[in-house]
Amino acid sequence: QQQVKQSPQSLIVQKGGISIINCAYENTAFDYFPWYQQFPGKGPALLIAIRPDVSEKKEGRFTISFNKSAKQFSLHIMDSQPGDSATYFCAARREGAQKLVFGQGTRLTINP
Amino acid sequence: ETGVTQTPRHLVMGMTNKKSLKCEQHLGHNAMYWYKQSAKKPLELMFVYNFKEQTENNSVPSRFSPECPNSSHLFLHLHTLQPEDSALYLCASSQYADTQYFGPGTRLTVL
Repeated sequence: QQQVKQSPQSLIVQKGGISIINCAYENTAFDYFPWYQQFPGKGPALLIAIRPDVSEKKEGRFTISFNKSAKQFSLHIMDSQPGDSATYFCAARREGAQKLVFGQGTRLTINP
Repeated sequence: ETGVTQTPRHLVMGMTNKKSLKCEQHLGHNAMYWYKQSAKKPLELMFVYNFKEQTENNSVPSRFSPECPNSSHLFLHLHTLQPEDSALYLCASSQYADTQYFGPGTRLTVL
């Protein structure tokens, strides 16, 4: 119930393409879903987050799509750039809770 | 210094050693966290401190001993570790349950 399952584990996309990373959860009490981006030698940094009252949130080239009935959410990176090469983690938590439950991470490589 | 800093960045220790990891946050937050990051596994929350008080311990072995002397500093004391404890240890801070800001981590190798 506490798990967040993330796929794929690794992803290679050509420059200019669309990168898509998927996550699924079981706990219906989760109501905050952030995505973190981690570069080598750095800690994870918040990229974008969504709450279940909306089905989509867009910030620049990054979009979260949320399907409450399917208990799934995904990150789309449009016009992917080599600088987007990093590890991406989805996460989830309950309202007001401090514990974040993380997915396993996706190593994204954007080929020039 | 800005954000969340961690020292040392790399640490190699034997199983009988005692060492400490240090974390400092310069964001004025009231909550601090220790996470363990192992290859191909989700980040694992270890401890949570709110206003210097430990509020969560996720069944962490006693060979890991946290200390939070004030809201800006967090330590993780290590003793008699096992090779499987080798990982990246991340510190984070937040204002209550808001966005967590992570430090760069300490890469720990236990021989």
